[in-house]
Amino acid sequence: DGGITQSPKYLFRKEGQNVTLSCEQNLNHDAMYWYRQDPGQGLRLIYYSQIVNDFQKGDIAEGYSVSREKKESFPLTVTSAQKNPTAFYLCASRRTVNTGELFFGEGSRLTVL
Amino acid sequence: DAKTTQPNSMESNEEEPVHLPCNHSTISGTDYIHWYRQLPSQGPEYVIHGLTSNVNNRMASLAIAEDRKSSTLILHRATLRDAAVYYCILRVINAGKSTFGDGTTLTVKP
Repeated sequence: DGGITQSPKYLFRKEGQNVTLSCEQNLNHDAMYWYRQDPGQGLRLIYYSQIVNDFQKGDIAEGYSVSREKKESFPLTVTSAQKNPTAFYLCASRRTVNTGELFFGEGSRLTVL
Repeated sequence: DAKTTQPNSMESNEEEPVHLPCNHSTISGTDYIHWYRQLPSQGPEYVIHGLTSNVNNRMASLAIAEDRKSSTLILHRATLRDAAVYYCILRVINAGKSTFGDGTTLTVKP
């Protein structure tokens, strides 16, 4: 079945450690997105990528980094510079930035101790 | 960015219709209106989208005002499984990013 796979589903890390969240899609979509969600709030855009080897900052990119070396993969690194990293992270993809609806993964819940 | 405004929360009784409103007064002519919903601890799922005309699918109907400054998502018979956060967003052509607001939390009472 086609879809988006995020891993891990749950992750615990100590303060000051970098963490990388995986996002893989087999939908052949060009565009991919990372969102952050805090309890009781909506989604905020961290980074997005319109095509391989290209990505742009979203509304809250500080303390995060991404890469897009393959069409299928868009990993997100939460760096130690992110002041409040505990959150629910959602990856999404779309056929292109201008077409289709967003398909979301099931999310990764990061807790920093 | 073109913004949307939704009520924070709404309640409905099971098996009754639900009308979820969304205001998007700064919408431009090429912006599509998309609706998604999110169940607890899951990623959002697509519900429906439209440009100018009203739209129907197996999940819901979308009614778009003639001036396009507002729209309404209609669930014809709410079930307990429809309890979720509903997001109305605009897909802006050539903008790249898709921005979500806080959505409307729908509670369905048995």
